[in-house]
Amino acid sequence: AQSVTQLDSQVPVFEEAPVELRCNYSSSVSVYLFWYVQYPNQGLQLLLKYLSGSTLVESINGFEAEFNKSQTSFHLRKPSVHISDTAEYFCAVIFASGSARQLTFGSGTQLTVLP
Amino acid sequence: ETGVTQSPTHLIKTRGQQVTLRCSSQSGHNTVSWYQQALGQGPQFIFQYYREEENGRGNFPPRFSGLQFPNYSSELNVNALELDDSALYLCASSLLGSTEAFFGQGTRLTVV
Repeated sequence: AQSVTQLDSQVPVFEEAPVELRCNYSSSVSVYLFWYVQYPNQGLQLLLKYLSGSTLVESINGFEAEFNKSQTSFHLRKPSVHISDTAEYFCAVIFASGSARQLTFGSGTQLTVLP
Repeated sequence: ETGVTQSPTHLIKTRGQQVTLRCSSQSGHNTVSWYQQALGQGPQFIFQYYREEENGRGNFPPRFSGLQFPNYSSELNVNALELDDSALYLCASSLLGSTEAFFGQGTRLTVV
């Protein structure tokens, strides 16, 4: 079965501390991997994506994620978080077998950065 | 800002009623997808439209239906509303076959 799992529903962390948000997927076909961020009362914004090539991808605001095929994971990391990073983060996958290229989302991780 | 606009932003309906939500795609995009995001959950794929026809559907009953117009804008219609239909409905536009989708701000539907 194809699925996406975010094990941590809430992650509190102090400002300037490092953070890792975990994402695992299950698939028998190739995948495209994404992290989206959602601020309160807003839609989803693409943070970063892995399609092919280098397994380490970075965003413009300091986040990075690494595709690990053997572990079927795509964890999101940031070495030093800011208050403004407080938001809901969703891991999403496109399973290559689908014609519609629809996104399958995890249940989300609420990142709360504390002062 | 993505250029994808949804209306209305908020809506309250009574159980059993029907509702229509609207989405205007980003310029140049020919595909529209709809997602339902229940409180505390990730978005779930409802369906996708391309060239005014349904191009894929998630696990939603037939009372969820849609339309796409020649200008690529789209509607999501839900008949016989149930309390569990209360959710944020997100529209995303893209080019067919592209992996990058651009989301609107969503419509918050409350069914009472």
